[in-house]
Amino acid sequence: DGGITQSPKYLFRKEGQNVTLSCEQNLNHDAMYWYRQDPGQGLRLIYYSQIVNDFQKGDIAEGYSVSREKKESFPLTVTSAQKNPTAFYLCASSIYGGPLTDTQYFGPGTRLTVL
Amino acid sequence: DQQVKQNSPSLSVQEGRISILNCDYTNSMFDYFLWYKKYPAEGPTFLISISSIKDKNEDGRFTVFLNKSAKHLSLHIVPSQPGDSAVYFCAARSMDSNYQLIWGAGTKLIIKP
Repeated sequence: DGGITQSPKYLFRKEGQNVTLSCEQNLNHDAMYWYRQDPGQGLRLIYYSQIVNDFQKGDIAEGYSVSREKKESFPLTVTSAQKNPTAFYLCASSIYGGPLTDTQYFGPGTRLTVL
Repeated sequence: DQQVKQNSPSLSVQEGRISILNCDYTNSMFDYFLWYKKYPAEGPTFLISISSIKDKNEDGRFTVFLNKSAKHLSLHIVPSQPGDSAVYFCAARSMDSNYQLIWGAGTKLIIKP
């Protein structure tokens, strides 16, 4: 069964701690993305990666970091520098990135609450 | 500056009737538009898309219309079913956003029995 998995579904952390959100896909997709969703807003792009060992900042990258060491995995670290980290985080992938980007497939999301 | 706007936060429609969800955009360079459906606490799922060279695309109960001169996109669902109750997002991409999707804020569709 192909798809995107994100773990955990709910995550609680104390203020000032770094936390890493997992995203794994077995769709053999080249491109992967991290979005953040806040209530009443659309999805905002944090980081994206079009190919292994390469990634680009999105619109709201400050306070976040990523790595793309394997095609299947694109973990997101929410650092203590992120001013308002409590949100719903969504990971997605697409077959290609760049001009060939079309449909993105999403994981179930991780709700992060910083206490 | 919101490039993709969904001005109706919510919409209520009777089961069996047509649901029309609207989306306006400001960037004339957008070349591809998509609609996604999202249930609470889940990731969005792709519904239907349209290229800027077309003005209509149909898939079963879902039809997307594109009016480039008005910079307006709409999603029609006919007939509406209870399972259609969800939040609907429109998204668009262009070369000047490195082909990354720009998302609207979403419209919550409620189908009344």
